[in-house]
Amino acid sequence: SQTIHQWPATLVQPVGSPLSLECTVEGTSNPNLYWYRQAAGRGLQLLFYSVGIGQISSEVPQNLSASRPQDRQFILSSKKLLLSDSGFYLCAWRKGADYGYTFGSGTRLTVV
Amino acid sequence: RKEVEQDPGPFNVPEGATVAFNCTYSNSASQSFFWYRQDCRKEPKLLMSVYSSGNEDGRFTAQLNRASQYISLLIRDSKLSDSATYLCVVRTSYDKVIFGPGTSLSVIP
Repeated sequence: SQTIHQWPATLVQPVGSPLSLECTVEGTSNPNLYWYRQAAGRGLQLLFYSVGIGQISSEVPQNLSASRPQDRQFILSSKKLLLSDSGFYLCAWRKGADYGYTFGSGTRLTVV
Repeated sequence: RKEVEQDPGPFNVPEGATVAFNCTYSNSASQSFFWYRQDCRKEPKLLMSVYSSGNEDGRFTAQLNRASQYISLLIRDSKLSDSATYLCVVRTSYDKVIFGPGTSLSVIP
């Protein structure tokens, strides 16, 4: 069966520090991968998605970036965090267009 | 008009009650529809897909009305464990997936 792993679960970082969140999927190949953010009390906002190694599409201009160095690995990064980057970051994958997402357990990021 | 709108909630219902959530979407060419549940401070989890003919999974029934661009979720015999936020999700013809803002449900003993 397929599983998705995301870490760390919780992160407190100072403003201006770098960020790296990692997500891996097991039990499938060539998944579509996604990074979402959910601000406190808000809906889910799509940040990036990837349909293959090295292919990244950005939905929202910001100081975040994503990379997909391996088929089942998706990384979210920032060189310098802002206070507004605080939120609940969720990695997700899906089999295909007609399937729902499976989310990782999320990373709760607080920028102080 | 927002692309996906849901009942603002919150819904507070007693155990055993039947509760219905409504969702409307603006893109008439939308192709796939889902309901997710999200527990407090947890990731969303797929509850069920919504099919054109309507579908049922135990106490949960989902319906789609394409003409009215409307989706519903009915929960019968509510349990305390049903307390969560329910998210309506729509996939458009351009493969854009849009999450609704969610409706919060609290089932009260």
